[in-house]
Amino acid sequence: EAGVAQSPRYKIIEKRQSVAFWCNPISGHATLYWYQQILGQGPKLLIQFQNNGVVDDSQLPKDRFSAERLKGVDSTLKIQPAKLEDSAVYLCASSLARYSGANVLTFGAGSRLTVL
Amino acid sequence: AQTVTQSQPEMSVQEAETVTLSCTYDTSENNYYLFWYKQPPSRQMILVIRQEAYKQQNATENRFSVNFQKAAKSFSLKISDSQLGDTAMYFCAFMKQTGNQFYFGTGTSLTVIP
Repeated sequence: EAGVAQSPRYKIIEKRQSVAFWCNPISGHATLYWYQQILGQGPKLLIQFQNNGVVDDSQLPKDRFSAERLKGVDSTLKIQPAKLEDSAVYLCASSLARYSGANVLTFGAGSRLTVL
Repeated sequence: AQTVTQSQPEMSVQEAETVTLSCTYDTSENNYYLFWYKQPPSRQMILVIRQEAYKQQNATENRFSVNFQKAAKSFSLKISDSQLGDTAMYFCAFMKQTGNQFYFGTGTSLTVIP
């Protein structure tokens, strides 16, 4: 099966500019996650979708970050305006269903953001 | 809230030797799942092994095995016959049975020395 697709792989922007990342999960995976991974740290959940609804966005900095998953398939994460501390790898992951004991996360390759 | 702690930021092991990575977690849940994920340098994160909290038997996947101590809330990963390809960051993760939310530790950087 095809994996989790993410683009772009790399992005360099200046502070106060905007950026958008795209994710296409594994076909049939109802749950989609966006994680922020700062160098040397573990992934931090930004937002979790179940189909096209938000399950958890408690750690999403809503003044600058937004995310959507309009048709319950692919998703876009936007940062506007970017700050230096947003430099990180943005990981998209998906899993089969919300209440499945067999759930595991499948990750994409990530989008590396550098804010200058 | 769930927390996952990995107290070993860096570890190294000689090729063909055995190494154990530590992980502890804090939760009030009784049913949950635990995972070890591997992130090789500049490559994507992949699942190494998975453990259901209701199972007493420790999970094993080829050279990888876990020591799950539910009462102590401990979940260590043992890598036997270490290979150069095992060099990576290893993340311990916790998932509640309901809600499908994953919580990650800060990771352990493992280097396998030839």
